[in-house]
Amino acid sequence: QQPVQSPQAVILREGEDAVINCSSSKALYSVHWYRQKHGEAPVFLMILLKGGEQKGHDKISASFNEKKQQSSLYLTASQLSYSGTYFCGTENSGGGADGLTFGKGTHLIIQP
Amino acid sequence: DAGITQSPRHKVTETGTPVTLRCHQTENHRYMYWYRQDPGHGLRLIHYSYGVKDTDKGEVSDGYSVSRSKTEDFLLTLESATSSQTSVYFCATQPTASSYNEQFFGPGTRLTVL
Repeated sequence: QQPVQSPQAVILREGEDAVINCSSSKALYSVHWYRQKHGEAPVFLMILLKGGEQKGHDKISASFNEKKQQSSLYLTASQLSYSGTYFCGTENSGGGADGLTFGKGTHLIIQP
Repeated sequence: DAGITQSPRHKVTETGTPVTLRCHQTENHRYMYWYRQDPGHGLRLIHYSYGVKDTDKGEVSDGYSVSRSKTEDFLLTLESATSSQTSVYFCATQPTASSYNEQFFGPGTRLTVL
């Protein structure tokens, strides 16, 4: 089942902070975050695994609450380059081979 | 970045015609995926492959078939294209079966079925 992302869209001024949430109705094993700019391919940002392991972008942070079945992506001191659509992709059981189930995306616009 | 190319990058076709999209990778990644992206739906998994000649269905596999005869190539075929298959198609690769591995996406193919 598709995870639910919130908000659907957000507009910020450069330097402001944003939080993007990803919530699932099923238990999560891992959450992957990607950013996509218009007309381009999604680009990897972060992986968060059940048990606390993380891998990813050094200027972006994220959290994973296994009990609440949700993850949040934190964009602090946003830059113009952060504009784009953010997707979370989830995996409900381990294995890492069966592909990801993506949310519908959060559109982020950063204004100067 | 993984070297992933998709061809064609744009295609316009008519309802009822067969269409094949190609994904080619130079990174020797074992796992390959086809997703479609539609406004309001995000990315949805069509089919995936876990090795040469080994494939499985994803969430939205009806109307699509795939083949993988070489590690580097993963083909997506629409046997008889319909207007509902108008979409942007992304191929992705992953080196091994690990939840700690990210997927690398190709540039996408924009398909329009008239």
